[in-house]
Amino acid sequence: QVQLQQSGPGLVKPSQTLSLTCGISGDRVSSNSATWNWIRQSPSRGLEWLGRTFHRSKWYNDYAGSVKSRITINPDTSKNQFSLQLNSVTPEDTAVYYCARDSSGWVDYFDYWGQGTLVTVSS
Amino acid sequence: QSALTQPPSASGSPGQSVTISCTGSSRDVGGYIYVSWYQQHPGKAPKLMIYEVSNRPSGVPNRFSGSKSGNTASLTVSGLQAEDEADYYCSSYAGSNNVVFGGGTKLTVL
Repeated sequence: QVQLQQSGPGLVKPSQTLSLTCGISGDRVSSNSATWNWIRQSPSRGLEWLGRTFHRSKWYNDYAGSVKSRITINPDTSKNQFSLQLNSVTPEDTAVYYCARDSSGWVDYFDYWGQGTLVTVSS
Repeated sequence: QSALTQPPSASGSPGQSVTISCTGSSRDVGGYIYVSWYQQHPGKAPKLMIYEVSNRPSGVPNRFSGSKSGNTASLTVSGLQAEDEADYYCSSYAGSNNVVFGGGTKLTVL
């Protein structure tokens, strides 16, 4: 059974960096079939896919155009986890952030989700 | 504004069937089989209910079914039960390694 456990601060000041981590059990971040994603949800923007990291002989990343200039998703094979960094945050980045696995190997469906982290951007 | 359009609400009595639509374009729903549906109860993470238009993951009751015609995908819940009351979201691959979601439909079991 795959489980994703999120950690990170729930409050970030404007212009600073949002950082979250997603620990994986029951699978490997270096899996050659799954991808590891970050998705956020807010009343104003709904569900929004932010990006993913995955391993296919080497590491790849894909990012949504809306955050591409500010986002980094990194794997950590030693801890079997992956992280999200979102720079220069504004109040519009306030949302519940989820990590999720896509086992299709494509940008298809998310079969396991983390518990969600409410991140508020406020001074 | 979400990329995929869903009705804000839907309702039905226990035992009835309800269908929720998800309308996109030829660049997403109409162009790929990669349409999925998620159920979300308050305060919980979304749960995958349907993938690739009409496939059910293990453990999802067969009361849930999906279909697609043109640029519109549909989720049908048959034999409504009280625990089906939740928000439902569709999503679709949208090209260029991107996925888009619908705005969500609140399903009420009367």
